Amino acid sequence: DTEVTQTPKHLVMGMTNKKSLKCEQHMGHRAMYWYKQKAKKPPELMFVYSYEKLSINESVPSRFSPECPNSSLLNLHLHALQPEDSALYLCASSPVISYEQYFGPGTRLTVT
Amino acid sequence: DQQVKQNSPSLSVQEGRISILNCDYTNSMFDYFLWYKKYPAEGPTFLISISSIKDKNEDGRFTVFLNKSAKHLSLHIVPSQPGDSAVYFCAASAIGGSQGNLIFGKGTKLSVKP
Repeated sequence: DTEVTQTPKHLVMGMTNKKSLKCEQHMGHRAMYWYKQKAKKPPELMFVYSYEKLSINESVPSRFSPECPNSSLLNLHLHALQPEDSALYLCASSPVISYEQYFGPGTRLTVT
Repeated sequence: DQQVKQNSPSLSVQEGRISILNCDYTNSMFDYFLWYKKYPAEGPTFLISISSIKDKNEDGRFTVFLNKSAKHLSLHIVPSQPGDSAVYFCAASAIGGSQGNLIFGKGTKLSVKP
């Protein structure tokens, strides 16, 4: 298994909702990442987990809450989002923290 | 301010010809550079990388050239094939990627026409 999977593919949520994005990999990678990509913009790093511990938080608002329950799974909990948070959320993994990262297909999030 | 710039949003090339995608960067601390390819509805896929101690890296049809003095890198695809049609992202990393912090350019959409 050499892929990173993300669910759901699409998500529409209101500003008062709570939802979660899920990312899974079974390549034995110990580093996992969340990126945000707005239309016609490059992906921007949000969080990095290394060995299930949060390693980097790129000054992301607290309405985004990451969680790494085990080495294969990475969640992003969403609460009280704003319409400007609508974007493609990409998950990636790598054997350890490094530049060669394997990306999932992303979750397209729309906040209404 | 963008640290990694891909100034051409799109490029169209005939099948069999060379595709040249360009990327400029501003941060002299970057020491690793990568190219990712992205098809619609898929995540970016790692293509090729180059360390700042090299000026060229080749992998099959793909070659990346690095000009440190000009802070410029380019990806050459020879010969181009229709299946190469995708968005290509240039990315850079400092400290050998030890912090996992990739800085991406905006991407160049390559269309290879049969």
